[in-house]
Amino acid sequence: NAGVTQTPKFQVLKTGQSMTLQCAQDMNHNSMYWYRQDPGMGLRLIYYSASEGTTDKGEVPNGYNVSRLNKREFSLRLESAAPSQTSVYFCASMRGYAFGTEAFFGQGTRLTVV
Amino acid sequence: TQLLEQSPQFLSIQEGENLTVYCNSSSVFSSLQWYRQEPGEGPVLLVTVVTGGEVKKLKRLTFQFGDARKDSSLHITAAQPGDTGLYLCAGAALNRDDKIIFGKGTRLHILP
Repeated sequence: NAGVTQTPKFQVLKTGQSMTLQCAQDMNHNSMYWYRQDPGMGLRLIYYSASEGTTDKGEVPNGYNVSRLNKREFSLRLESAAPSQTSVYFCASMRGYAFGTEAFFGQGTRLTVV
Repeated sequence: TQLLEQSPQFLSIQEGENLTVYCNSSSVFSSLQWYRQEPGEGPVLLVTVVTGGEVKKLKRLTFQFGDARKDSSLHITAAQPGDTGLYLCAGAALNRDDKIIFGKGTRLHILP
């Protein structure tokens, strides 16, 4: 009963390095989202995937790319990390139903870029 | 842009007191969710309210959806230190696409 699994949990990068954040869900949901959470800014949407094979930009997509590898997995890539990307990153799997959408979150990846 | 405003931003009260936090918008939502986030963890869904005027109870937590479906409140009775956390409201867009928006949250601290 894992739900949403994110790896790694912590990461320190040097400016200019690249990395991929992994996310997998076992709830058979179509939609998956990536957010970043910064103090005072709330959860901001980076990219989302409404279904396997589709991805769309959210509120703050610059500096990021995503891949929806299959229905279970949605990865977030930082090609050239910058200190402004220091944040906590959350992946969410979305359950859509007649009246709305409920989010199920992973435990987060705490990323520091130095 | 549909915006969800949460108030207060911060609240620190003594154990045993009652409190209410608010989530307001100028837009109508098809449903609204409340989440609680504890330090070092992701947000966890507490409840979804769907019908205007709906009231849902979860032990000492009471959630209400406004009649016009533009706002919601969370009332905690006899707060306990275990209630400490960040409370987030989130709304699903009326056009029923998958995108939901989050408020910035109310950070609640219950003092023993």
